[in-house]
Amino acid sequence: DTVLTQSPALAVSPGERVSISCRASEGVNSYMHWYQQKPGQQPKLLIYKASNLASGVPARFSGSGSGTDFTLTIDPVEADDTATYFCQQSWNDPYTFGAGTKLELK
Amino acid sequence: EVQLVESGGGLVQPGRSLKLSCAASGFTFSNYYMAWVRQAPTKGLEWVASITNSGGSTYYRDSVKGRFTISRDNAKSTLYLQMDSLRSEDTATYYCTRRVYYGYYFDYWGQGVMVTVSS
Repeated sequence: DTVLTQSPALAVSPGERVSISCRASEGVNSYMHWYQQKPGQQPKLLIYKASNLASGVPARFSGSGSGTDFTLTIDPVEADDTATYFCQQSWNDPYTFGAGTKLELK
Repeated sequence: EVQLVESGGGLVQPGRSLKLSCAASGFTFSNYYMAWVRQAPTKGLEWVASITNSGGSTYYRDSVKGRFTISRDNAKSTLYLQMDSLRSEDTATYYCTRRVYYGYYFDYWGQGVMVTVSS
């Protein structure tokens, strides 16, 4: 299976820019997607196919990358962005998710 | 507004069965592939199974093949997951998701239903 590696946690101050990385163990073309999950809630789609903003998602969120290295950027970070962020690939079977990056606000 | 509402979860003993349902509304259910994704307590997300819009083809992760069955009733706009021979490692919150055909990502998620497998 394709393993997606994310850093476990990040802490930033409101107003700053944060980049969350996701590295795939093998190429996934541009089929990398990002989700936000707040405590006690279901995941929410943020970015699809590496760089496309999902409907209703603020333009503070952006995505980039291709192949094996991908980045989710939030700029500027707001207090409401406290959550865990998961990447997911759908190029190789089975679809796999990263373990998630927990974003905390200072 | 797209809504996915799961039901049928609960506590079940190892080796027993459980059937989850997901009632969909706010979109043309028969036009979309659907999937189940689960999340073990304090763990990450794991794709479980997918089904085509017609129900003609189904896909499973290896660990549930032969034990779980995904199905749908387009007339009732409902997705199902029949889970047999349950194991402790199946304990998780199960999410019903709508899968986008061309991108193979999940654009809407239900609130989730908890399944606990324990004696």
